Amino acid sequence: QKEVEQNSGPLSVPEGAIASLNCTYSDRVSQSFFWYRQYSGKSPELIMSIYSNGDKEDGRFTAQLNKASQYVSLLIRDSQPSDSATYLCAPRMDSSYKLIFGSGTRLLVRP
Amino acid sequence: DVKVTQSSRYLVKRTGEKVFLECVQDMDHENMFWYRQDPGLGLRLIYFSYDVKMKEKGDIPEGYSVSREKKERFSLILESASTNQTSMYLCASQGGRRLAEYNEQFFGPGTRLTVL
Repeated sequence: QKEVEQNSGPLSVPEGAIASLNCTYSDRVSQSFFWYRQYSGKSPELIMSIYSNGDKEDGRFTAQLNKASQYVSLLIRDSQPSDSATYLCAPRMDSSYKLIFGSGTRLLVRP
Repeated sequence: DVKVTQSSRYLVKRTGEKVFLECVQDMDHENMFWYRQDPGLGLRLIYFSYDVKMKEKGDIPEGYSVSREKKERFSLILESASTNQTSMYLCASQGGRRLAEYNEQFFGPGTRLTVL
């Protein structure tokens, strides 16, 4: 089993809908999780971090962490075409500074 | 805001050349990282540094070396460039002063290296 797994997509949603991106992880990761957005040809940009069980909201973004089920998700409300990008899930490796990056989910928001 | 800069956005080199990629951060972060990103393979860690003159191998260090003589600067060196090192190279910085921010990594714009 990979340490971090994401569905590669593409996930296609209409403009204005809620996009739901999921990530599952193994026991080797710590309880610090990060979501990055990466536009084609650009570098990853940190958009959310979450450290404790439950929900964390920031504008149109909500990160959800469920430690018992070992998954973390990112919800994007009122999706816009400008949200079309690849979203990378990145938990911190246990007892390390390193982050483990998932392969990413490509999101397409249709106008 | 954290700023991470990389010396070049695009670079073209020939097989066998020695290549230097430089990264500078302006937030006094302790930890710096070099990744490469290739289609279908995702982000792979080459090397990281947790202090000046301290370094640790990542997942794919072969063919690369690094140097960190000053806290703000982390260099990636390709000793003898090969075509399979054609890739996007990304530098990241980590270590915000607030505990909640310490693990957040911030990326530079990337260097797209082509080795002919």
